[in-house]
Amino acid sequence: GAVVSQHPSRVICKSGTSVKIECRSLDFQATTMFWYRQFPKQSLMLMATSNEGSKATYEQGVEKDKFLINHASLTLSTLTVTSAHPEDSSFYICSARDRGRMSNTIYFGEGSWLTVV
Amino acid sequence: GQNIDQPTEMTATEGAIVQINCTYQTSGFNGLFWYQQHAGEAPTFLSYNVLDGLEEKGRFSSFLSRSKGYSYLLLKELQMKDSASYLCARVGGATNKLIFGTGTLLAVQP
Repeated sequence: GAVVSQHPSRVICKSGTSVKIECRSLDFQATTMFWYRQFPKQSLMLMATSNEGSKATYEQGVEKDKFLINHASLTLSTLTVTSAHPEDSSFYICSARDRGRMSNTIYFGEGSWLTVV
Repeated sequence: GQNIDQPTEMTATEGAIVQINCTYQTSGFNGLFWYQQHAGEAPTFLSYNVLDGLEEKGRFSSFLSRSKGYSYLLLKELQMKDSASYLCARVGGATNKLIFGTGTLLAVQP
């Protein structure tokens, strides 16, 4: 079964509103979680790296005030898309690194489809 | 930079062998992943290489040359269900972040 749970799997929101996506590690502690965005027929683009208890590190070109990331515990990180616009419609996916294992153990969530209307 | 390059598309025949190449910048390198992704789904882990050489796992093998900044994924005895995107991803940098390549869309034909 899934070891990283992402919720919601699909969400539709109105333009101008905010939407929150959760990423939970189910049976391990995740020191680091990564948030990606994927547009159709494109690869995964890293948005930010989230470390428990500290501020997220955003990739160049990603607005930190628009994409709020919180990693309050070792098992939960959230991505909030604020003041959403139709161009924010995309597939958002998180991944988590298992604290107790070697660095090669990175699990992905199931992804969240966001549609802004 | 962390440019990771792969061919955009490839086509192969059922039962054949296909090799998907990936080149990356070597500075700060800490490992190379291959993932398979079907449309609309999350990526699934295929392989991880951190040392030079070939890692074989069933029909899939992955090769790494750290000095050349080069990896390939080898798929043998291709099946129709292998039609998918194959993503090369590099781990590196101070935060060991996972950066994906452009992805290769593989179409397996009868």
